[in-house]
Amino acid sequence: KQEVTQIPAALSVPEGENLVLNCSFTDSAIYNLQWFRQDPGKGLTSLLLIQSSQREQTSGRLNASLDKSSGRSTLYIAASQPGDSATYLCAVPNNAGNMLTFGGGTRLMVKP
Amino acid sequence: GAGVSQSPSNKVTEKGKDVELRCDPISGHTALYWYRQSLGQGLEFLIYFQGNSAPDKSGLPSDRFSAERTGGSVSTLTIQRTQQEDSAVYLCASSPRRQGATNEKLFFGSGTQLSVL
Repeated sequence: KQEVTQIPAALSVPEGENLVLNCSFTDSAIYNLQWFRQDPGKGLTSLLLIQSSQREQTSGRLNASLDKSSGRSTLYIAASQPGDSATYLCAVPNNAGNMLTFGGGTRLMVKP
Repeated sequence: GAGVSQSPSNKVTEKGKDVELRCDPISGHTALYWYRQSLGQGLEFLIYFQGNSAPDKSGLPSDRFSAERTGGSVSTLTIQRTQQEDSAVYLCASSPRRQGATNEKLFFGSGTQLSVL
């Protein structure tokens, strides 16, 4: 059974810092990995999707990397801003593609 | 609509009552998912619909939970005889799920916060 773990569970940084969020998964036979953002009281917004054949994806100040063989992904946020404060979740699909297994999330607070 | 729409946004009910939660996916999306997010817990898969195929109900926690999707669009999640442990945010998501596609983003609604007193 696939298990997804995110470290740290919570992170507080001053504005402007570069930071890295970590995601690990136990079964490396994945099609892709998604990073989501969740604001309080809201649903999830997909930030980046990395296909299994890719090593990284970039969107603005966000860069996600994927190392399937070691079962790891990182989300790099450059020059963090208070508006980046949210919970970040990673998720991988099962082989049938009909469900995602989510990590527990990293709750990020960027202080002005 | 522009995104996945869920209603109601909040629902407070008494233990033992039935509730219905509604999800309106993005137009044209064939795949629809229900997840549950409990306080302090991760997201828990409940059920998956794909086109006209039989749904994957493997995540439903008990037979008090059921869901249907009419006309390949709107979905309703029904919880019968609600219990306090059913209190959670129920999230719906949809994706295009094109034939053979394995790399598609999921689009989530804002969820329904269910509180069972």
